[in-house]
Amino acid sequence: GQQVMQIPQYQHVQEGEDFTTYCNSSTTLSNIQWYKQRPGGHPVFLIQLVKSGEVKKQKRLTFQFGEAKKNSSLHITATQTTDVGTYFCAGYRGAQKLVFGQGTRLTINP
Amino acid sequence: GAVVSQHPSRVICKSGTSVKIECRSLDFQATTMFWYRQFPKQSLMLMATSNEGSKATYEQGVEKDKFLINHASLTLSTLTVTSAHPEDSSFYICSGPDGYTFGSGTRLTVV
Repeated sequence: GQQVMQIPQYQHVQEGEDFTTYCNSSTTLSNIQWYKQRPGGHPVFLIQLVKSGEVKKQKRLTFQFGEAKKNSSLHITATQTTDVGTYFCAGYRGAQKLVFGQGTRLTINP
Repeated sequence: GAVVSQHPSRVICKSGTSVKIECRSLDFQATTMFWYRQFPKQSLMLMATSNEGSKATYEQGVEKDKFLINHASLTLSTLTVTSAHPEDSSFYICSGPDGYTFGSGTRLTVV
């Protein structure tokens, strides 16, 4: 079945450093979604990418969808302590069913 | 935007008892809702799809007799963990049909 692989599993950075997490699918995705989950919290939807090669920005966050629609990345510029959490990508398996990547847990040294 | 309310947020129960978790859509009607389980430091795994007025659809490996799902109205879906055991301790999260909106989750601890 469809798998969504996400790396790295963990990332620790100094505050102010950049951070990137990568997502790869075994199959072509119709779209990909990104979520952030704070420790002890629930996933919060960040963005959806639909088009091949799409790039979207939200302040310090840049999201990319690969040309083949099989990979995606989330890049955070100049991390802040508020960026701490686990970032998940997710693609659809069939109608409406989301398959989540393993997540990348970001910790930040202030 | 769409809001999904989930209760309780935390529950501790004794082994062998049952626990009911409620998920309500506050400002929209949903014929479908999704239930996920998340073990510590792991990803979200889809358990089942609840369907209003009909049987839930369970993912492979999920025991339908243990995790009872009821979607009796367009705004309420419930997950009942029956005869809970310590290995059922987990974070259970519901979501609306759009995949954007999640409940706040229920942390179940079975002792």
